[in-house]
Amino acid sequence: KAGVTQTPRYLIKTRGQQVTLSCSPISGHRSVSWYQQTPGQGLQFLFEYFSETQRNKGNFPGRFSGRQFSNSRSEMNVSTLELGDSALYLCASGLRGRETQYFGPGTRLLVL
Amino acid sequence: AQSVSQHNHHVILSEAASLELGCNYSYGGTVNLFWYVQYPGQHLQLLLKYFSGDPLVKGIKGFEAEFIKSKFSFNLRKPSVQWSDTAEYFCAVITSGAGSYQLTFGKGTKLSVIP
Repeated sequence: KAGVTQTPRYLIKTRGQQVTLSCSPISGHRSVSWYQQTPGQGLQFLFEYFSETQRNKGNFPGRFSGRQFSNSRSEMNVSTLELGDSALYLCASGLRGRETQYFGPGTRLLVL
Repeated sequence: AQSVSQHNHHVILSEAASLELGCNYSYGGTVNLFWYVQYPGQHLQLLLKYFSGDPLVKGIKGFEAEFIKSKFSFNLRKPSVQWSDTAEYFCAVITSGAGSYQLTFGKGTKLSVIP
């Protein structure tokens, strides 16, 4: 089976812009979660989607949003980018959520 | 809220030394426990997991971990490390609430193995 794929792999944006990141889960997986990884804060949970519904959301401002499509692919959007949003954004997929989550390679976002 | 603590930020070992990385979690309910590894320049990979049953679980590349419920711990061990084990190791716990699931990670432990 193909693994979790994320596009784009690298992104450079300027403050105030918005960005959309994409994640394709492993075939058959219906749960998709997003995480932000930074050197200072480590890995932090953003949100989890299952069957096109957001089931859980982490402690991030409303500028961070996401959605999931009927084929389980997911997108994450960050509006009004700030310098502090520079991070590696990881997507993980699982069958239903409680079992093992498998991670993609991430999208490295740099905000200038 | 649940939390995961990893006691060591950076561990430096010589090849063939034994490894033990500590992990404690705070959550009173049922948990699924994981260790993930992130090799330099690579994505997070599952090392091993514990859901139920035998509290001593074996993972890939000779790693094992022991779940001690009374201590809320899930320590990672390897009897003899290799230079290729140089990586960052993350302990994580999945907890559930109201039908949703969330992986909570520790801050990670960087392991440097000296040849």
